[in-house]
Amino acid sequence: RKEVEQDPGPFNVPEGATVAFNCTYSNSASQSFFWYRQDCRKEPKLLMSVYSSGNEDGRFTAQLNRASQYISLLIRDSKLSDSATYLCVVLAGNMLTFGGGTRLMVKP
Amino acid sequence: EAGVTQFPSHSVIEKGQTVTLRCDPISGHDNLYWYRRVMGKEIKFLLHFVKESKQDESGMPNNRFLAERTGGTYSTLKVQPAELEDSGVYFCASSRTSSYNEQFFGPGTRLTVL
Repeated sequence: RKEVEQDPGPFNVPEGATVAFNCTYSNSASQSFFWYRQDCRKEPKLLMSVYSSGNEDGRFTAQLNRASQYISLLIRDSKLSDSATYLCVVLAGNMLTFGGGTRLMVKP
Repeated sequence: EAGVTQFPSHSVIEKGQTVTLRCDPISGHDNLYWYRRVMGKEIKFLLHFVKESKQDESGMPNNRFLAERTGGTYSTLKVQPAELEDSGVYFCASSRTSSYNEQFFGPGTRLTVL
């Protein structure tokens, strides 16, 4: 079983749609949680941290459920520029553990 | 501020050859990490330096891989001898402090072993 599981997609959505990604993690000792974005053949870049209280950054909302070891990302009003792979990432110690990523394609 | 840089961007070598990858972290970042993504798999941690010391090398796949960070600035990752399964993208990241500061990733080195 992978330490961080994500649906690989792709999720094909029209512009303006709302799309949600989920991920589960297995290490209950994980202390921090993130969503990274990776464009094709580029490096991962931090999109946002994820907190139990939920956090929002513009059109993006992230949520953590520690009891269920479940992390979510909601993107509202999708833009063409949101097309990318979204990586669910968990920190335990100083080591980041990555999910395989969920690919999003936003179409006109 | 310059970001994390890696050299080369691409490397194509034959099985059995040696390759050395270089990473220059963001200036002032004591923490340096190596990760890699092999085809079809998720990005996996290889090791973590704090300055010149190896803090955690639990992700290094085998003794064909040697990482160094002499002087605590740039780091090298040498693969000797390279095998076909070493092909992938090798990412370097750096952060200012250990207790979580954002890790900034370099553009990666795409290694192909033929």
